[in-house]
Amino acid sequence: DGGITQSPKYLFRKEGQNVTLSCEQNLNHDAMYWYRQDPGQGLRLIYYSQIVNDFQKGDIAEGYSVSREKKESFPLTVTSAQKNPTAFYLCASRPYLRDDQPQHFGDGTRLSIL
Amino acid sequence: DQQVKQNSPSLSVQEGRISILNCDYTNSMFDYFLWYKKYPAEGPTFLISISSIKDKNEDGRFTVFLNKSAKHLSLHIVPSQPGDSAVYFCAASARGSQGNLIFGKGTKLSVKP
Repeated sequence: DGGITQSPKYLFRKEGQNVTLSCEQNLNHDAMYWYRQDPGQGLRLIYYSQIVNDFQKGDIAEGYSVSREKKESFPLTVTSAQKNPTAFYLCASRPYLRDDQPQHFGDGTRLSIL
Repeated sequence: DQQVKQNSPSLSVQEGRISILNCDYTNSMFDYFLWYKKYPAEGPTFLISISSIKDKNEDGRFTVFLNKSAKHLSLHIVPSQPGDSAVYFCAASARGSQGNLIFGKGTKLSVKP
């Protein structure tokens, strides 16, 4: 069954610690995205990648880093430089061929500060 | 400044009646619009989309209307069911933006039995 898997579902970070959120897709999609959702807010784009070994900053990239070594995987690292990391993080993917294709989302990771 | 606005944070509708969710946008370069449905602690689920070359798209109980001159789109759900209770997000992308979406803040729909 094709889909997007995010893990873990819940994650706790200590002050000064880096944490990595996993996102794997088996939809054979070229493009992958990371969003952040805060209470009462829409989704804001952190990073995106259209092809392997290439990625671009979104609107709120500061304090985050990503890699795209494989088509299926797009992990997000929340670094200690991100001062307000508590949020719901969503990964999405989309076929790259045309702009009029919807993004499909995983079920998210909720990150909290200890 | 918000490019996609959902001005109603919440909407309550009786089961069987029509639900109308509204969305306004400011960027005239947007040419593809989508609606997503989201339950708590889950990812958004794609519902329906519309290209700027159309003014209506229908899929079962869901219809999206686009008024380009007013920069306004709406989602109609008929008839509304209790299972439709969720947060609905409007999103838009511009030609050449590599499919990047701009999201509204969402409208929480409650359908009462």
